[in-house]
Amino acid sequence: SQTIHQWPATLVQPVGSPLSLECTVEGTSNPNLYWYRQAAGRGLQLLFYSVGIGQISSEVPQNLSASRPQDRQFILSSKKLLLSDSGFYLCAWSRGGRFDEQYFGPGTRLTVT
Amino acid sequence: AQSVTQLGSHVSVSEGALVLLRCNYSSSVPPYLFWYVQYPNQGLQLLLKYTTGATLVKGINGFEAEFKKSETSFHLTKPSAHMSDAAEYFCAVSKGSSNTGKLIFGQGTTLQVKP
Repeated sequence: SQTIHQWPATLVQPVGSPLSLECTVEGTSNPNLYWYRQAAGRGLQLLFYSVGIGQISSEVPQNLSASRPQDRQFILSSKKLLLSDSGFYLCAWSRGGRFDEQYFGPGTRLTVT
Repeated sequence: AQSVTQLGSHVSVSEGALVLLRCNYSSSVPPYLFWYVQYPNQGLQLLLKYTTGATLVKGINGFEAEFKKSETSFHLTKPSAHMSDAAEYFCAVSKGSSNTGKLIFGQGTTLQVKP
């Protein structure tokens, strides 16, 4: 069966510090991968998606970047965090078809102080 | 283009009462529709999905949803609410015809279940 991991589970970082969140998927190959953010009281915002190694698409201009160094690894990064980067970050994977659901990880709670 | 509207950001029901969470969609292609549930500080979990075929879809935890093309709706129901159903619920539609697998999510509906 497939599993998706995210770490860390929680993170408190000062403004201006760097960020690295990691997501890994087990039990499948060549998944589509996604990074979402949930700000307090708001819905899901798709940040990045990837259909293959080294292929990253950005959905919104922002202070974040993503990379996919391996088939089942997806990393979200920032060089300098802003207060507005606080939120709940979710990684997800899918098989990529229109009828395929996305499977979500447990999330990372990021607080920028 | 695809979009999803969830009517009611907060819904409150009594334990044992009917749960009805509303979702309307817009899609330029035949829609594939999904309902997810999110418990506090957790990821999203798929409740059910509609692709083709039977328009009444049964999911986990006693939930079901009916695809109504004429009404562009995909409302989620459960005959009898349980305290453990308190969570946030998201409706989503598959985006476009590409292989990205992207989903367009509604803004979510928080379900409160009162004892």
